[in-house]
Amino acid sequence: AQTVTQSQPEMSVQEAETVTLSCTYDTSESDYYLFWYKQPPSRQMILVIRQEAYKQQNATENRFSVNFQKAAKSFSLKISDSQLGDAAMYFCASRDSGGYQKVTFGTGTKLQVIP
Amino acid sequence: GAVVSQHPSRVICKSGTSVKIECRSLDFQATTMFWYRQFPKKSLMLMATSNEGSKATYEQGVEKDKFLINHASLTLSTLTVTSAHPEDSSFYICSALKGQKNTEAFFGQGTRLTVV
Repeated sequence: AQTVTQSQPEMSVQEAETVTLSCTYDTSESDYYLFWYKQPPSRQMILVIRQEAYKQQNATENRFSVNFQKAAKSFSLKISDSQLGDAAMYFCASRDSGGYQKVTFGTGTKLQVIP
Repeated sequence: GAVVSQHPSRVICKSGTSVKIECRSLDFQATTMFWYRQFPKKSLMLMATSNEGSKATYEQGVEKDKFLINHASLTLSTLTVTSAHPEDSSFYICSALKGQKNTEAFFGQGTRLTVV
């Protein structure tokens, strides 16, 4: 079984500044994937970034990057140059590579961007 | 990317009736789809895994006779909430896996169910 923990229910950041959202996970699998999803008020889940556990290099997507610490089972999301459109719920998630590939979500962090 | 369409986006039904929610993968075939339930300001809770041509796998605590899942084709899975009660009111989201391995999960836009 997998568990995903997000310890920050809410975060705020000034527009154009940088913010880091924390996530820790636990899994017994050796091969798995980690994700950050964004859920704006529309409730549509949007993939922000993904990381394959076997890759040591941290994933980067434009202003979004992760700090993947496999030994510590930590997977934080850094948002640089925050924009008003970044305001949303952010969910950290993990998925096994085998079996049914179920996705397990954390409890989410609500990000507020202050103009 | 890929598109997953969920229908309806909102539905209101009376207690005791059944309501069907559809999840379609529009531009890819999905052997596996998932159904989630999301309570207000909460995370997504996996209800069941839907596999094309076979019975769905339900998570612990989810009543399979109440939440009927059918995955009759590679592009369509349906969730039917039977004998709905007000406590079934929630936001239901589906996702579909594109590909067989090392796949991406794409989400529908969700369905807001209100049982009155």
